[in-house]
Amino acid sequence: AQSVTQPDIHITVSEGASLELRCNYSYGATPYLFWYVQSPGQGLQLLLKYFSGDTLVQGIKGFEAEFKRSQSSFNLRKPSVHWSDAAEYFCAVRVIGNEKLTFGTGTRLTIIP
Amino acid sequence: GAVVSQHPSWVICKSGTSVKIECRSLDFQATTMFWYRQFPKQSLMLMATSNEGSKATYEQGVEKDKFLINHASLTLSTLTVTSAHPEDSSFYICSAARPGGGDEQFFGPGTRLTVL
Repeated sequence: AQSVTQPDIHITVSEGASLELRCNYSYGATPYLFWYVQSPGQGLQLLLKYFSGDTLVQGIKGFEAEFKRSQSSFNLRKPSVHWSDAAEYFCAVRVIGNEKLTFGTGTRLTIIP
Repeated sequence: GAVVSQHPSWVICKSGTSVKIECRSLDFQATTMFWYRQFPKQSLMLMATSNEGSKATYEQGVEKDKFLINHASLTLSTLTVTSAHPEDSSFYICSAARPGGGDEQFFGPGTRLTVL
């Protein structure tokens, strides 16, 4: 069955430390891949997306993600987190030719001073 | 650009009543809008896809008679929860796809529904 897995429900990171959020997918072919951030009272905001080409994708707010076909992964990274990065992060996939987004269960990021 | 609004942001209603939630694309025309439901500490589950001027396409397991979707214009879609019950309490989120928008969906801030 097709699925998106975010293994980490909650991650706590010190401000200024590096961050990696994991995402794995199970699909018959390489789907389109997305990372969204959800802050309280705000809509989901697209951080970055991967369709094809360079497997290292740069996004907004200093985030990047690397697509690894062999591991069926699309992990999100940031070299130095800021307190404002505290939010819920969702990985999502879309099958080519289909508009529907399938979301992972999300990872809640807490930043400590 | 590409702002999506939802109204109301939160609503409390009595069991058995109906509630309408509006989703508007403020600065673009959306040919397709999506409705999601999000339970606390859980992911977003797609409920239905609506295209302007046509009937919505519901996901498996979603009761179309209970969750009425109307996409009357290119900037407005509404979700009506009919005869709401406490189990319908949830966070409802809409998104809109902009033609030529690079396959990106733009999300509204969500509506918190509490049914007493």
